[in-house]
Amino acid sequence: DGGITQSPKYLFRKEGQNVTLSCEQNLNHDAMYWYRQDPGQGLRLIYYSQIVNDFQKGDIAEGYSVSREKKESFPLTVTSAQKNPTAFYLCASSVSRVDEQFFGPGTRLTVL
Amino acid sequence: QKEVEQNSGPLSVPEGAIASLNCTYSDRGSQSFFWYRQYSGKSPELIMFIYSNGDKEDGRFTAQLNKASQYVSLLIRDSQPSDSATYLCADRKVGSARQLTFGSGTQLTVLP
Repeated sequence: DGGITQSPKYLFRKEGQNVTLSCEQNLNHDAMYWYRQDPGQGLRLIYYSQIVNDFQKGDIAEGYSVSREKKESFPLTVTSAQKNPTAFYLCASSVSRVDEQFFGPGTRLTVL
Repeated sequence: QKEVEQNSGPLSVPEGAIASLNCTYSDRGSQSFFWYRQYSGKSPELIMFIYSNGDKEDGRFTAQLNKASQYVSLLIRDSQPSDSATYLCADRKVGSARQLTFGSGTQLTVLP
């Protein structure tokens, strides 16, 4: 059963803490992406990676960090430097040289 | 000016009617266009993509692209209550390393 999984589904963070969101795919996709969605808004790109051990900043990378040590995995760390982290975080992946992106179920992060 | 603009709605149509969703984009370099459906609290699902001017049909859905006027639309024929969702438009620009830029979405309600 191929797909993209994200965990946890819900995450609560205290101010000043770093948290890591998991994204795993078994679709053999080369590219992976992290987006943030705020209520009533579209998706904004945080980071993306086209190949293992390489990633680039998106439009809103400040306060976030990523790694891409394996093709299947692209974890996102929300650091304490991110001033307003409460949002819905979506991971996506795509086949190389193809534009269509497919999304995981998302993680809803709330800062207490 | 937003790069990808959509009327936020809400748009209401009666069951069985045609729902018309519109999207305009600002960059003439945009190459490909995508429509995603997002149910409340869920992640986006890809409905259709279109690269060439004209119409592209898939079941009850038709995507229309007019590059000269810089708009893309999605028609949903025989609308069903299950089509009630937010519809996100996205584009990809030339040389953007396959980054998609999303609009803020149009909320559609199909009334039984």
